[in-house]
Amino acid sequence: DGGITQSPKYLFRKEGQNVTLSCEQNLNHDAMYWYRQDPGQGLRLIYYSQIVNDFQKGDIAEGYSVSREKKESFPLTVTSAQKNPTAFYLCASSLGQGSTGELFFGEGSRLTVL
Amino acid sequence: SQQGEEDPQALSIQEGENATMNCSYKTSINNLQWYRQNSGRGLVHLILIRSNEREKHSGRLRVTLDTSKKSSSLLITASRAADTASYFCATDGNQFYFGTGTSLTVIP
Repeated sequence: DGGITQSPKYLFRKEGQNVTLSCEQNLNHDAMYWYRQDPGQGLRLIYYSQIVNDFQKGDIAEGYSVSREKKESFPLTVTSAQKNPTAFYLCASSLGQGSTGELFFGEGSRLTVL
Repeated sequence: SQQGEEDPQALSIQEGENATMNCSYKTSINNLQWYRQNSGRGLVHLILIRSNEREKHSGRLRVTLDTSKKSSSLLITASRAADTASYFCATDGNQFYFGTGTSLTVIP
């Protein structure tokens, strides 16, 4: 079945370590997004990409990095520069550029810093 | 911020009752979408309403949009325990902007 796969579902990190969250989609969507969700704060956009080899910062990009080398893949690295990385991370994709279509979400990755 | 705000933050109803949640936003839009999120899961798209539409139905869902008031409402009729989830509105722009969500609990 077509969809978005995020891994790992749960991840623990020691302070000072970088971690990479995987996001793969087989929907042939051009646009992909990373969101962070904290309790009571809804979803905040970290990075988005509308085409391969191009991506833009969202509202809270500091301490994060991404790459878009393949259409299907949009990994997110949480760096040691991110001061409060414990959160639920959601990857999403949409068919076209811009925000006129629906978003398809993965099941999320929960990162905990020990 | 263009982020929408849902109201109420939390809602608890009995099974069979209707649930209404509201969304307010700040800037002009092309469309507004509603999503559902079960605890600890990803979001699932429910319905999209365009700025030139005033009302839209999908099964037990009814969405209204008032662009003059910059607000939308989501009505779930004849609620079921399985409707227990958080509901988010999302508005468009250069990116999608999500509200903070309404947590709905349907008591069997």
